[in-house]
Amino acid sequence: DVKVTQSSRYLVKRTGEKVFLECVQDMDHENMFWYRQDPGLGLRLIYFSYDVKMKEKGDIPEGYSVSREKKERFSLILESASTNQTSMYLCASSLWGGATEAFFGQGTRLTVV
Amino acid sequence: ILNVEQSPQSLHVQEGDSTNFTCSFPSSNFYALHWYRWETAKSPEALFVMTLNGDEKKKGRISATLNTKEGYSYLYIKGSQPEDSATYLCASPPGGAGNMLTFGGGTRLMVKP
Repeated sequence: DVKVTQSSRYLVKRTGEKVFLECVQDMDHENMFWYRQDPGLGLRLIYFSYDVKMKEKGDIPEGYSVSREKKERFSLILESASTNQTSMYLCASSLWGGATEAFFGQGTRLTVV
Repeated sequence: ILNVEQSPQSLHVQEGDSTNFTCSFPSSNFYALHWYRWETAKSPEALFVMTLNGDEKKKGRISATLNTKEGYSYLYIKGSQPEDSATYLCASPPGGAGNMLTFGGGTRLMVKP
């Protein structure tokens, strides 16, 4: 079974802190994604990576950065956390292309106080 | 940004009812259409990935159809059960054979026993 593992299920951080959300997949997938989910807004793409050290901005990249130094690991970084970044964050991976299914992690519920 | 839209936003049905919901997407540069089921406290899981106009896929009581020329897909659930209660998401890569997945807002289905 494909496994996508996010480092934390719940996180509480203070405004202004630098926050790292980690995601690891074990199936040698090329693509990795970070989404956030807010009530009534569905899943919105923050960043996407199609290869090591390659990244593309999604729909809402402001306030976030990403790092992909190894194929299996994709990190989301909140440079200076703000309360409007309180959300559920989901990591996903897929083999390649847009016609292969995505596999999701369990999600990280981040609260910024 | 690709406009993937889903309707209705939420749906309440009785156990045993059959139901269906819609995903619409721009028909130009179509590449693939994904359906996912997201149960509370779990990760989204893929139901179907469809690529060809006229595609029909089935998994148990759930089936989906695809019309790429007019830009819509239907998801059908026959004889809904309480365990079908979930949010159903559709997604499509924007701009042709891209790797990114843009999701619709989802349809939240609640099946009453």
